[in-house]
Amino acid sequence: AQKITQTQPGMFVQEKEAVTLDCTYDTSDQSYGLFWYKQPSSGEMIFLIYQGSYDEQNATEGRYSLNFQKARKSANLVISASQLGDSAMYFCAMREGNTGKLIFGQGTTLQVKP
Amino acid sequence: EPEVTQTPSHQVTQMGQEVILRCVPISNHLYFYWYRQILGQKVEFLVSFYNNEISEKSEIFDDQFSVERPDGSNFTLKIRSTKLEDSAMYFCASSEIRWVGDTGELFFGEGSRLTVL
Repeated sequence: AQKITQTQPGMFVQEKEAVTLDCTYDTSDQSYGLFWYKQPSSGEMIFLIYQGSYDEQNATEGRYSLNFQKARKSANLVISASQLGDSAMYFCAMREGNTGKLIFGQGTTLQVKP
Repeated sequence: EPEVTQTPSHQVTQMGQEVILRCVPISNHLYFYWYRQILGQKVEFLVSFYNNEISEKSEIFDDQFSVERPDGSNFTLKIRSTKLEDSAMYFCASSEIRWVGDTGELFFGEGSRLTVL
């Protein structure tokens, strides 16, 4: 069965510094996709970045980048130049099969300090 | 930008009552989903829906739950007889294609918070 593990329940980072949120996954599928979502205190799920298992380059979206290490089955999110508005819960998720069924990790709460 | 809309944003109900949560997916999307997030916990898949039928459901989605697309625009989740443990945020999501991620995004609504007393 597929599994997503986020081992950091909470993280602190100083404003303007970079932070890495860890995510490891387990799957026997050859083709899969990995997602990161941001959930602010208001509750909505905001898509940040996606990495396909066959993508050779790490995904980047503005200040977000995904450090994809396939052999280690890790898909860490790197946020550069943290902003106060980055304070939120962050979820790593994996697509199961070829559908929109996502398996989520437990999440990491990030707090950005001024 | 197109968005998935959900109503109500918050509903309080008594245990044993029926609840219907409504979602309007993005207009050209064909695949629809419900997810649940109990407070402070991870988001969990409930059900996927395509071509007017359930494609897949999780073990959480028991006989108390049902989904339908009554009029071609709304997508509803019904809980027949609510329990205390049904208290959660319920997210609707939709996608244009089946293969989410590679060539299409999964769009989430803002969620409906259900409180069962």
